[in-house]
This record gives sequence, structure tokens and C-alpha cells, in this order.
Amino acid sequence: DAGVIQSPRHEVTEMGQEVTLRCKPISGHNSLFWYRQTMMRGLELLIYFNNNVPIDDSGMPEDRFSAKMPNASFSTLKIQPSEPRDSAVYFCASSSDFTGMKNTGELFFGEGSRLTVL
Amino acid sequence: DAKTTQPPSMDCAEGRAANLPCNHSTISGNEYVYWYRQIHSQGPQYIIHGLKNNETNEMASLIITEDRKSSTLILPHATLRDTAVYYCIVRYGKLTFGQGTILTVHP
Repeated sequence: DAGVIQSPRHEVTEMGQEVTLRCKPISGHNSLFWYRQTMMRGLELLIYFNNNVPIDDSGMPEDRFSAKMPNASFSTLKIQPSEPRDSAVYFCASSSDFTGMKNTGELFFGEGSRLTVL
Repeated sequence: DAKTTQPPSMDCAEGRAANLPCNHSTISGNEYVYWYRQIHSQGPQYIIHGLKNNETNEMASLIITEDRKSSTLILPHATLRDTAVYYCIVRYGKLTFGQGTILTVHP
């Protein structure tokens, strides 16, 4: 299996521009997570989906952030408009049956998308 | 999720056992203890998890105290490639990462 695939790996943009980060989870996994990592705040959970439905978006910073999962094999995290404080590494992770009784809680992370907003 | 307390950093000599402690005194009965690690610039990697009993896999061993208020992750023979940030997480829902322990394995 190719693992969780994220794109782009690196993005440099100017303040005010729209940014779209993409994630392809591992085939067969039905839970998907978006995390953000900065030096100051560490790893923060932004949102997670189960069976394509958002379960917990309490970590989404503000209305400028939105996430979608139109099908089981694709998710996007969009920032519009972007600001310099959004600069971070954004990780996508997937898991099988995360909310199920037999779930091990093992999340498989992608390599991350490093976003720099100037 | 219960909070965890880990030392900010630890050192270990290559080939020796690395014992990483974690305090989770407010853990509840249905919360699991998880360990992940993050090697520089990569995504976190699952290591091991447990509820009450000690656990062992090909990567590490997890020792949980009888009262479940603390645990220790053991890397039996640390290598330079084990240098990473190690996260201890207690979970009954979403996985919330703390600051972790920076483990440095030196020759």
C-alpha cells in the first residue's frame, strides 16, 4: 500500500490567497484526520471524519478554514484567505474503524504539507 | 482525554535500553495509553498501546502500573534511528498529542 498521500508537499503563498491541501487516505480506512503542527502549539487536531462525515471540527481555528471529504478516497483542507499565522505543517492521517470497538487507535500519517504564507 | 506529563528530554546511549516515563494520574477506566513517535520532519508513527496489561511488540514494550496512573515505554536496544519525539497519549476518543519527550540516542 502507498500509505497516506498528501499534496502538495510544500506550498509558498502570499497572504490573502486561497490554499487547498489534499489527502488520499489508505484504501479501506474509513476515518480521516487533519492535524496542524507548529513549534509554538505542537500537533493540533483540526477535524476528523468517519465514513466521510465530519465528527469533530472543534479544532478548526476559524471560518477561514474548511474541510471536505466528498468520498472515501479524498479529502481537502482549504484556507481562504490565508494569513502568515497559518504557516505550519499540515498532516493528514487515516485509520480503520476508529470509533469501533476493535479499533487499535493506530493512525497512519502522511508526510505532511509544509505551508508558508508570506 | 486525560492529560499526560512527560519529561521534555532524555538521553540514551546506543545499544542500551531507553525507558521513557509518562504520568497520567487522571486516566479513567476506559482510556487506553498510546505511544507514538515523530522522527524529524516526518508524520507521527504508532508504536504501541495498552489498557491494563503490559504489552510488547517488535518495536517496544509498554509497562503500565497497576493503578494505571503512569506508564513506561521501553526501547530495549536503542539505536541512533530511535532519536525522535515520543508522545504518550491517553485516549477514549480523538488522539490529542502533548509536547512529548525528545529522546536523543548518542553513540
